[in-house]
Amino acid sequence: DADVTQTPRNRITKTGKRIMLECSQTKGHDRMYWYRQDPGLGLRLIYYSFDVKDINKGEISDGYSVSRQAQAKFSLSLESAIPNQTALYFCATSDPASWGADTQYFGPGTRLTVL
Amino acid sequence: AQSVTQLDSQVPVFEEAPVELRCNYSSSVSVYLFWYVQYPNQGLQLLLKYLSGSTLVKGINGFEAEFNKSQTSFHLRKPSVHISDTAEYFCAVSRTNFGNEKLTFGTGTRLTIIP
Repeated sequence: DADVTQTPRNRITKTGKRIMLECSQTKGHDRMYWYRQDPGLGLRLIYYSFDVKDINKGEISDGYSVSRQAQAKFSLSLESAIPNQTALYFCATSDPASWGADTQYFGPGTRLTVL
Repeated sequence: AQSVTQLDSQVPVFEEAPVELRCNYSSSVSVYLFWYVQYPNQGLQLLLKYLSGSTLVKGINGFEAEFNKSQTSFHLRKPSVHISDTAEYFCAVSRTNFGNEKLTFGTGTRLTIIP
């Protein structure tokens, strides 16, 4: 079984709809992240969480919110989806073995299309 | 703030030929450097990372990278590529005195292996 899972894997929705992307991990890591990937732009950090009570904005958090329901679960919500949020979304986890030098472990991604 | 430049967005290489994927970074403080690989329809996984010590770092699948502080580069190399190396490769950097939340990715290089 995969260590980091994301649901759904693909989603098509309409402008203005509320969408939730879910991430679960079995690695036992405290740190979790949400990124979006756009062609030619690489990965950009949306939100990150160091534990259940510690949630922080990344570089592109506008239009997104998150919820850390448990150590193993980290959800990303789009309150009112818009077409420029069409992207590939990745969840990742890491274990801070060495400050700043963590290896991140990625889920398989969710492809979101907003019409 | 740190930044990463991957000079080539696409690199086609014949099977069994050598390859070098270029990465340059910019930072006012010391950094950790990473290469991640994304195989088709998968999440990213770590190839290798430079934390300190020897500037030549060996990773999985026969890849290696050399940290060059004077040229602020961290180029990825493989002496003989295989079809299975077809993927997108991302260089990333984090500052050594910050947590992993500051991991900054480059825009990626798509490596295509020609049979």
